[in-house]
Amino acid sequence: DVKVTQSSRYLVKRTGEKVFLECVQDMDHENMFWYRQDPGLGLRLIYFSYDVKMKEKGDIPEGYSVSREKKERFSLILESASTNQTSMYLCASAVPPNYGYTFGSGTRLTVV
Amino acid sequence: AQRVTQPEKLLSVFKGAPVELKCNYSYSGSPELFWYVQYSRQRLQLLLRHISRESIKGFTADLNKGETSFHLKKPFAQEEDSAMYYCALTPGGYNKLIFGAGTRLAVHP
Repeated sequence: DVKVTQSSRYLVKRTGEKVFLECVQDMDHENMFWYRQDPGLGLRLIYFSYDVKMKEKGDIPEGYSVSREKKERFSLILESASTNQTSMYLCASAVPPNYGYTFGSGTRLTVV
Repeated sequence: AQRVTQPEKLLSVFKGAPVELKCNYSYSGSPELFWYVQYSRQRLQLLLRHISRESIKGFTADLNKGETSFHLKKPFAQEEDSAMYYCALTPGGYNKLIFGAGTRLAVHP
């Protein structure tokens, strides 16, 4: 019973490419989040959204943008991919107040 | 600034030994605190939250506001407990979670 689906499990892109990471949830959650997960750094929040067409910057938004046109879909966009954006990207959704996120399985992005 | 610190990158124990994964936080208000776990090749999932004061899979965690800590404990570790554990807090508002760097627990037979 998959609840949060990330469209790609592995992705390899070239430096300078525009990259789209897609996330869809089927639980009618208001809040959605994008994190990147790096060894020794844990999970760092990139962007989050608490409603359709609403977005808020997280701790490391530089080089990223997001789109939320529908409640169930939250897209992360790398405008011009760079090698330092090679990472595991995790999408999550939650219902406020937050008593537990539901995470996707992650997208491992490699930028070469 | 809000911060979660997990001082140990790796905790290695033998089966049956007690386990304590440390978590300290800095936040001026009253945060909500959580432990998340990621088993090998599985999604990150909620293990427990301090507000419910529950025990999940034998794990407990007590919030100590004086020491600003939320350590995760289990009296007798099992091999299936081997995983990556993340402590997290939410300061409320839009409910974003702030995670620590994580501790890898390795339980040896």
